[in-house]
Parts: sequence; structure tokens; C-alpha cells
Amino acid sequence: GESVGLHLPTLSVQEGDNSIINCAYSNSASDYFIWYKQESGKGPQFIIDIRSNMDKRQGQRVTVLLNKTVKHLSLQIAATQPGDSAVYFCAEMSSNDYKLSFGAGTTVTVRA
Amino acid sequence: SQTIHQWPATLVQPVGSPLSLECTVEGTSNPNLYWYRQAAGRGLQLLFYSVGIGQISSEVPQNLSASRPQDRQFILSSKKLLLSDSGFYLCAWSAGDRLYGYTFGSGTRLTVV
Repeated sequence: GESVGLHLPTLSVQEGDNSIINCAYSNSASDYFIWYKQESGKGPQFIIDIRSNMDKRQGQRVTVLLNKTVKHLSLQIAATQPGDSAVYFCAEMSSNDYKLSFGAGTTVTVRA
Repeated sequence: SQTIHQWPATLVQPVGSPLSLECTVEGTSNPNLYWYRQAAGRGLQLLFYSVGIGQISSEVPQNLSASRPQDRQFILSSKKLLLSDSGFYLCAWSAGDRLYGYTFGSGTRLTVV
């Protein structure tokens, strides 16, 4: 997609603060959403997911919020730690074709 | 449990040389398989996907090809590498018919010199 060639947006966060990473999706038929974390030199790892029949889901230190009205997804990380420094990708899927589409990604840097 | 293996982890190849990257999945049958490329500081670009043995779909025109000789084996190849083929290559699998995410391999860093 178009996002492939773009430099990723960045977020700098002080250690201990909460982080919020935002993502806008385009397909109104999408009914499943995932956040991935990619550390340098590694493959993306699943963090948390949410289905379209929910608007909030919590994991360990992470919360995903879904606003279907404005097609917006966010990931909140509580008490950000240095190990949270990574690139975060949102992804969407529709049960029409089960194909995962990735957002552009956000680079998160945690300041000590 | 399912695991995905991808190798090699790093590769430095001269321009014009051939390429073969391999990906295998264990613990599942008939997975959907994917090859992605990621340039430094960029997003994920889907190159190929396969829903079964011998079935390959190409998402972008390029110097690369893919093959699926066995149910759980996916190979990315090139006959002659270009400088622009440098990047981070990721293999992934999914169940294909469920609302569930893709699981990624650890990636191969390819540098064409």
C-alpha cells in the first residue's frame, strides 16, 4: 500500500509515562483488529487484538480502544518501559476475505 | 503449538547472484503463507501469498518469485539479485479462514552488494 514507502511517524515518551499510539483504518467492513510490536531486527509480534463487537480490551499494561464510528484504533501502554521501544503496527481484517492489512507503523522511543 | 522457522537470519549477496530464502511452519496443516519485505524504517510490503501447494499470488511486480513445494514450506527466490532487493524479508502464516492474526518468522536481513 501507500504506507510502504513512507517514513514511519515517531513518538517519544518518558519512561514511566503512559503512551498512546493511534491508527486510522479505512475499510468499514473490517471486523477484527490487531496491534503488533516489532523490535529492531526481529519479526512483528502480536500484542493484543479486538473484535468489532467490542470497543475496549485490556491486556497486561496495554489497552486497545476501537471507535468504529470514526474508524479509529488506539493502543495505550501504561507505565512505559525501555523495553517498549519498538515499532508498533496496527492491522485490520475482514471476515469477507481474512486478509490482514497493515498500517504504516509508529516508532516509539522511550527516554530514560 | 505452531512454530515458524525462517533462515538464514542474515545474508550478503553480490549483485547478479541467485537467492533462495526458506520458510517452514510446524504444528498446523494447510496454512496460508506470506512473504513480506520491509525497507529500513518503512512499513510491511506484501510480496507473495499462498493458500495451498503450488498456488502463488503476487502482489507487486518485481525481480523475485515464490514457490510452495510442500504444504508447510514457502520459498522466496531470485535468479539475479539487484541492489534494490536489499531489505528485511519476513515470512508469516495464518489459518486463513478465521479472524486471527498472522504469525511472523524472525526475518532475513538481505544486503545486496
